[in-house]
Amino acid sequence: DAKTTQPPSMDCAEGRAANLPCNHSTISGNEYVYWYRQIHSQGPQYIIHGLKNNETNEMASLIITEDRKSSTLILPHATLRDTAVYYCIVRPNTNAGKSTFGDGTTLTVKP
Amino acid sequence: DVKVTQSSRYLVKRTGEKVFLECVQDMDHENMFWYRQDPGLGLRLIYFSYDVKMKEKGDIPEGYSVSREKKERFSLILESASTNQTSMYLCASSVTSGRGNEQFFGPGTRLTVL
Repeated sequence: DAKTTQPPSMDCAEGRAANLPCNHSTISGNEYVYWYRQIHSQGPQYIIHGLKNNETNEMASLIITEDRKSSTLILPHATLRDTAVYYCIVRPNTNAGKSTFGDGTTLTVKP
Repeated sequence: DVKVTQSSRYLVKRTGEKVFLECVQDMDHENMFWYRQDPGLGLRLIYFSYDVKMKEKGDIPEGYSVSREKKERFSLILESASTNQTSMYLCASSVTSGRGNEQFFGPGTRLTVL
């Protein structure tokens, strides 16, 4: 699976958009970009995924650059409950979902 | 909603004991996984299974075995627990579809081996 690079930590003001970047310069053509988050003492939670088009769901938006070498997860109106570690993962659709989790970004939403 | 449940949130065992960690999912997913999570090391895959009675080693299978006799249940077994197996254990399941195969995780079991 391709390696990803994320900043170790970020802060965001409550109510503002949180933009979390991820670099995946060695991504292969068949690899999807997945985002998960893990709130303290809980299991990781799936947020969103995409291949090359931008995606949006009720939790977040995913923007993937045209060359697919980087992506940004956007939480449009961050709340205190969005404080968590966010993981960006790239993997093919054919490996049954087996994921390699890096260190992620610790997002702290502040009042 | 997909639900993945794990038998215990907290478990304390002694060195040398045999330990069973149970995981059950209710969405008929064919794929199931066991990870452990340690500070500074992230989540590491121990074993996974893509069908009943099928299993494959992950990145750190040593000291562990698994069992999948029924589709909904995936068990992680520590044959003889050791202190370096003190960790958070996370189970996950997924279904492979044409649009991706997101994993759904259980709440985790924090195992302490004394």
